[in-house]
Amino acid sequence: DTGVSQNPRHKITKRGQNVTFRCDPISEHNRLYWYRQTLGQGPEFLTYFQNEAQLEKSRLLSDRFSAERPKGSFSTLEIQRTEQGDSAMYLCASSLATGSGANVLTFGAGSRLTVL
Amino acid sequence: AQSVTQPDIHITVSEGASLELRCNYSYGATPYLFWYVQSPGQGLQLLLKYFSGDTLVQGIKGFEAEFKRSQSSFNLRKPSVHWSDAAEYFCAVVGGAYNNNDMRFGAGTRLTVKP
Repeated sequence: DTGVSQNPRHKITKRGQNVTFRCDPISEHNRLYWYRQTLGQGPEFLTYFQNEAQLEKSRLLSDRFSAERPKGSFSTLEIQRTEQGDSAMYLCASSLATGSGANVLTFGAGSRLTVL
Repeated sequence: AQSVTQPDIHITVSEGASLELRCNYSYGATPYLFWYVQSPGQGLQLLLKYFSGDTLVQGIKGFEAEFKRSQSSFNLRKPSVHWSDAAEYFCAVVGGAYNNNDMRFGAGTRLTVKP
């Protein structure tokens, strides 16, 4: 098991362009999370999936953001019409949750977005 | 909603000195508490976690943390810091066993280690 994998690691784009990030979680994990981290801040929750169902979305996730996990395995996070304020590190995490009890997240290395 | 406060933005310690990083949480019940470490350009690595039981928990790399309910704190400690410990440290909370979907992080404490 290679842990949580994120691609690309770094994306530079011009304002107004669309970008997509991919996350491959640990294979046996049923939950997948997306967080955003800006410089000098802790990660902020964006959304999470249990299997293929998107169960919760933060108010931070504007209409320009969409996340999918079509087969309950990998996930994509797309940002449309990027703005300079979208520049951040986008972190993916996964966990094996059983509905109750401990829910320990394993994070990927992140995808850094720079919007020029 | 739960929240986490890390009062110290930046701490500098000498190599070999002891370390304590502060974390205070706000939540109605007893949450689950975590410390993560992040090296530059990397993701977060779990150092330790507290769910219940013994309030002093041991983690990796020689770190420990103590849960103090009366103070709503979960401070991270290490008796002797190594240069490789220089990194950003994040305290995090989820709302316990039946509200464990939304992990909230503090703003982080950046640790610098002087030789």
